[in-house]
Order: sequence, then structure tokens, then C-alpha cells
Amino acid sequence: GDSVTQMEGPVTLSEEAFLTINCTYTATGYPSLFWYVQYPGEGLQLLLKATKADDKGSNKGFEATYRKETTSFHLEKGSVQVSDSAVYFCALSMDSNYQLIWGAGTKLIIKP
Amino acid sequence: DTGVSQDPRHKITKRGQNVTFRCDPISEHNRLYWYRQTLGQGPEFLTYFQNEAQLEKSRLLSDRFSAERPKGSFSTLEIQRTEQGDSAMYLCASSLEGRNSPLHFGNGTRLTVT
Repeated sequence: GDSVTQMEGPVTLSEEAFLTINCTYTATGYPSLFWYVQYPGEGLQLLLKATKADDKGSNKGFEATYRKETTSFHLEKGSVQVSDSAVYFCALSMDSNYQLIWGAGTKLIIKP
Repeated sequence: DTGVSQDPRHKITKRGQNVTFRCDPISEHNRLYWYRQTLGQGPEFLTYFQNEAQLEKSRLLSDRFSAERPKGSFSTLEIQRTEQGDSAMYLCASSLEGRNSPLHFGNGTRLTVT
């Protein structure tokens, strides 16, 4: 079945470091891909999305490119801040599927 | 757009009691979802409404759980005869139709069963 695999956390970085959180997926068709973020004590928020191959989603300095050839949607940011500390979830959605399929989440810790 | 709101934020109950949570979605969203999340895990799908119709319920969901969306607006999730294993964050989300429509989540209701 369809699935999403994320790199295990926690990922600990110093402020201003470069961030990559890996996400790969398995799907029988052509999914839409999403990154959601959950800050401590808050609900999930959409961070960015991409709906077709080679699309790049971006928001708040974060970027992710939909790579069909590698079935990946890695999240990147050039210079992280302490305020980026959160749990990041990769997810996919199929045409026939009304529900998102989620990765397990990656906890990001940014130290000043 | 006031976002998705959930009430209460926190609920502590004794095992065996019934609890009910409320979700008010974004007004123009016709889809409403309930998820459950435990610490360190991604959201687990519980059930889904399109307008007032409950279109799917997770097979993993006990029959102690029931959800309604009587007029296609707000929704309630009731858990009967709560068990300690029901302790979790219960998340509500809403969206427009279409696979590209992102889910908008509320801040959740944290349930603790003692």
C-alpha cells in the first residue's frame, strides 16, 4: 500500500545551520505531497505542498521539491532558527483517497 | 477565517466515564476529519465527514467511539466507557474537496484517562 518514510529524529542543529529532513514515499499513482509542522503545544499546520512532479513548495524559508524519479520530497532550509524547533511530518494524498498518509514525524531541535 | 476550533483543550476523566469533544471547522469547508495522535507518532485517522455524511470510519476504531456532524457544520466525537488506552490528543481538521486541498487542523483536545 501507499506509505511515507521519514528520517528518524531527533535532529539537533545549531542556529544558522543547513537543514535537510528526508522523506520518501511509495504510491501506486501520482500523489500530492505535503509537509506539516507541529510546534510544541500546538496543532498541525501546513508548511508547504507540491501537487505534481518537479513542483517546488516553499514557505517561511523552507523548500521541498517533488522528485518523481527518486520518489522523494526532502525538506530543506538554508539557515535554521531556534523558532524552527518543532516536529515535521511528511504526508501524501491520492486522487481516490480522502485521507492523508503520514510519516512518523521528525523532531527538530535547534540550539542557539 | 477563525480557523478550526476544538473544545475543550484538555479533559481529564476517570476510566469508565463518557466524554464528548466538539470541533468547529472553517465555515466554508465541507470535509471534516477526526484524528488521534499519541506522543511521538503521526496522526491516526479515525473518521471523516463530507457535509453531514460520515463516509468512512477507521476499522481500528472501537465501537465505543462515535462521531456526528448533524448539520454539516460542527462535529462531536464521543467516547463511551473510556479506557486508559484512549489517552491521546484528539485532532480535528477540515478542508475543501480535492486531493490538493490541505487540511487545516485545530489545536486538539488532550484526553487523559486515569
